[in-house]
Amino acid sequence: QLQLQESGPGLVKPSETLSLTCTVSGGSISSSSYYWAWIRQPPGKGLEWIGSMFYSGSGYYNPSFKSRVSISVDTSTNQFSLRLTSVTAADTAVYYCARHRSVYYYFDYWGQGTLVTVSS
Amino acid sequence: DIQMTQSPSSVSASVGDRVTITCRASQGISTWLGWYQQKPGKVPKLLISAASSLQSGVPSRFSGSGSGTDFTLTISSLQPEDFATYYCQQANSFPLTFGGGTKVEIK
Repeated sequence: QLQLQESGPGLVKPSETLSLTCTVSGGSISSSSYYWAWIRQPPGKGLEWIGSMFYSGSGYYNPSFKSRVSISVDTSTNQFSLRLTSVTAADTAVYYCARHRSVYYYFDYWGQGTLVTVSS
Repeated sequence: DIQMTQSPSSVSASVGDRVTITCRASQGISTWLGWYQQKPGKVPKLLISAASSLQSGVPSRFSGSGSGTDFTLTISSLQPEDFATYYCQQANSFPLTFGGGTKVEIK
């Protein structure tokens, strides 16, 4: 059974960089069938897609994040990571890692989510 | 970007009621539409893909329909475990976008 687990700091200071890692178990991140994604949900609000990355390093980002976001995949550790720079309080959210197929862009597996609070 | 608009934003219903949630896309997305259920403090769960294809293990009281720009999620007979927030998501093109959510509450 595929499992995804987020890890990283729960508190980040304004203007600093948010870094999270998602560890994939029960399956290979190197599969050509899937993209690996990050989605966030501010407290009490809806879901926002951040970006999706293929194991090869090609992928897509939400333009609303402009150049602040990057996602990387490490096939040697079966992990992928999110970096979000210059954070503000508006970036406070539960961050989920998830998977979708390379053809069908539905999120079928999700991590449990991790709350990241941006505060000094 | 394709904007997804859900209505209503919340609905109060009783066990056994039929509930219908609507999702409208700002441009045609064929049937590239998914529905998710999220219970408080829990992870979203994919219920339906391709507008009407029920995921394995999802009760048959859930159904989806629509194509182009207008879609519906119907719960034929609401059960206690169905009280949750439901989101639609377009899977037609990047950037992937979600609707704002519909909270189904106990009447």
